[in-house]
Amino acid sequence: GQQLNQSPQSMFIQEGEDVSMNCTSSSIFNTWLWYKQDPGEGPVLLIALYKAGELTSNGRLTAQFGITRKDSFLNISASIPSDVGIYFCAGGSSNTGKLIFGQGTTLQVKP
Amino acid sequence: ETGVTQTPRHLVMGMTNKKSLKCEQHLGHNAMYWYKQSAKKPLELMFVYSLEERVENNSVPSRFSPECPNSSHLFLHLHTLQPEDSALYLCASSQERQGVINNSPLHFGNGTRLTVT
Repeated sequence: GQQLNQSPQSMFIQEGEDVSMNCTSSSIFNTWLWYKQDPGEGPVLLIALYKAGELTSNGRLTAQFGITRKDSFLNISASIPSDVGIYFCAGGSSNTGKLIFGQGTTLQVKP
Repeated sequence: ETGVTQTPRHLVMGMTNKKSLKCEQHLGHNAMYWYKQSAKKPLELMFVYSLEERVENNSVPSRFSPECPNSSHLFLHLHTLQPEDSALYLCASSQERQGVINNSPLHFGNGTRLTVT
């Protein structure tokens, strides 16, 4: 079945540093979504991408839909302590009607 | 406030108990979902309802029984669970069934943390 490889699994960075994480797959997706989950809460949508090559920003966050449609990355610039949490990518396929989630990237930020 | 409300937030139950998880969405969406989230594993889709009709059941054991009385409410009835069923159970909704129509991302509730003793 379809699978996503999300990396890195975890990151521990200094406040102010930039962060980059990505998801790759052997399958093609029509949609890439990036979510953040804070402790004790459900995932919250950060950015949605619907076209290959699309680059979208949301404040300090930037995400891109890879031109091969098999990957996506999320960058966070100038990290702050409230960026701490688990970041999930998800790939959606209109062929299968399914949304596949990555394993998550746990981000910790040291003030 | 996510627009998707789940109750209870925490639940501890014995293996012989019967309990229900409740989800309500205030977004006017047509599709609702149950996901299971276990540590170190990707989110696992359990059930999908579109316009109150179950459209997907991902080989979930019969000890989990969903119910969708209308497009705003979703329940997950639990009975004779096992300790390995302990997890965070997330409800989500979307305007249309994800993957069928683009531009319809999932909106999640805050989950019910279930512990089976």
